[in-house]
Amino acid sequence: QQQVKQSPQSLIVQKGGISIINCAYENTAFDYFPWYQQFPGKGPALLIAIRPDVSEKKEGRFTISFNKSAKQFSLHIMDSQPGDSATYFCAARGTSGSRLTFGEGTQLTVNP
Amino acid sequence: NAGVMQNPRHLVRRRGQEARLRCSPMKGHSHVYWYRQLPEEGLKFMVYLQKENIIDESGMPKERFSAEFPKEGPSILRIQQVVRGDSAAYFCASRGGMNEKLFFGSGTQLSVL
Repeated sequence: QQQVKQSPQSLIVQKGGISIINCAYENTAFDYFPWYQQFPGKGPALLIAIRPDVSEKKEGRFTISFNKSAKQFSLHIMDSQPGDSATYFCAARGTSGSRLTFGEGTQLTVNP
Repeated sequence: NAGVMQNPRHLVRRRGQEARLRCSPMKGHSHVYWYRQLPEEGLKFMVYLQKENIIDESGMPKERFSAEFPKEGPSILRIQQVVRGDSAAYFCASRGGMNEKLFFGSGTQLSVL
């Protein structure tokens, strides 16, 4: 019940295209859903996050769409750039202060 | 304002030795989390500490692993009698007070020969 399932495992997109990564969860007690970006040899960096009381959040080229009834959320990267090539992790957290549960990650490659 | 600092960046140990991984949280942060990442896998939670207290250690193996976050100084993740299966990247993350944002360090890559 603590799992977060992420897909696809890898994604190749052309420069300027839209990258879409999906996550699904089971635990209805989750109340905070961040996305992290990780470059090789670095730690994950917080990209954008959402709470279940909104259905969408946008920051620059990055948008989270949230479907509470389906228990799914997704990351959309508009106008994808080669510099966006990285591994992306979705995560979810239960009661305030408890640990983040991460998805398995999506390796995104944006071709020039 | 320095971020989360982890050291060493790389640690090589032989089987049976001890590994000590250090984490200094961001200034003002009193909550520390340790995660382990195997190659091409997600991050697996190990332990959550607040100053001088272990809050949640449900992801940490009962044997050989221990963690502390003393009143003064960095948080330490200690692995005794390391085995090859302990080889992984270990990440520390911190947050402050009621802030839900979690900031990660650059990790320690542990290699067990």
